Amino acid sequence: DVKVTQSSRYLVKRTGEKVFLECVQDMDHENMFWYRQDPGLGLRLIYFSYDVKMKEKGDIPEGYSVSREKKERFSLILESASTNQTSMYLCASMTSGSYEQYFGPGTRLTVT
Amino acid sequence: GENVEQHPSTLSVQEGDSAVIKCTYSDSASNYFPWYKQELGKRPQLIIDIRSNVGEKKDQRIAVTLNKTAKHFSLHITETQPEDSAVYFCAANENRDDKIIFGKGTRLHILP
Repeated sequence: DVKVTQSSRYLVKRTGEKVFLECVQDMDHENMFWYRQDPGLGLRLIYFSYDVKMKEKGDIPEGYSVSREKKERFSLILESASTNQTSMYLCASMTSGSYEQYFGPGTRLTVT
Repeated sequence: GENVEQHPSTLSVQEGDSAVIKCTYSDSASNYFPWYKQELGKRPQLIIDIRSNVGEKKDQRIAVTLNKTAKHFSLHITETQPEDSAVYFCAANENRDDKIIFGKGTRLHILP
């Protein structure tokens, strides 16, 4: 059974803080993704990665960066958190070419 | 790139009735169309998918139809039950980047 875990379910940070969200998958999937979910806007892709040390911008990369130093781990970084980054963040992974994505439980981030 | 439109954004049906959610896509090269269900407070999970070499697929009370010519696909849920209440997302693959593009979601309410 595929397991995708995220470091926190709930996180509260102050404006200007650096924030790290971590995602770990245990199925040796090549591809990993970070989305943010906001009411009425669906799942919007922030960044994705095909392999270790590789990253690609999604639809809304501004204000975010990512790191993939190991195949099983994909980190999302908010260099200087802002209130408009308050959202639910979902990580997903998949085998290359399969398109079936497995999601983590999500991190609800509040920036005050 | 691919664009996926989903309608309606909210749908209420009486328990036992059928529910239909419709999606359109823009890229004729897309060939994989999954549907995800997200229950309140939980992660999105794949419930059914269809590839472009078939026109319909069924799994118990859910079915998906695909019209490649018109570039639209639909989710059908028959004999709806309270546990069908959730947000449903359609998606289409983007071959070029090995990722999927999600619709904005449909919140389905099953009324007692």
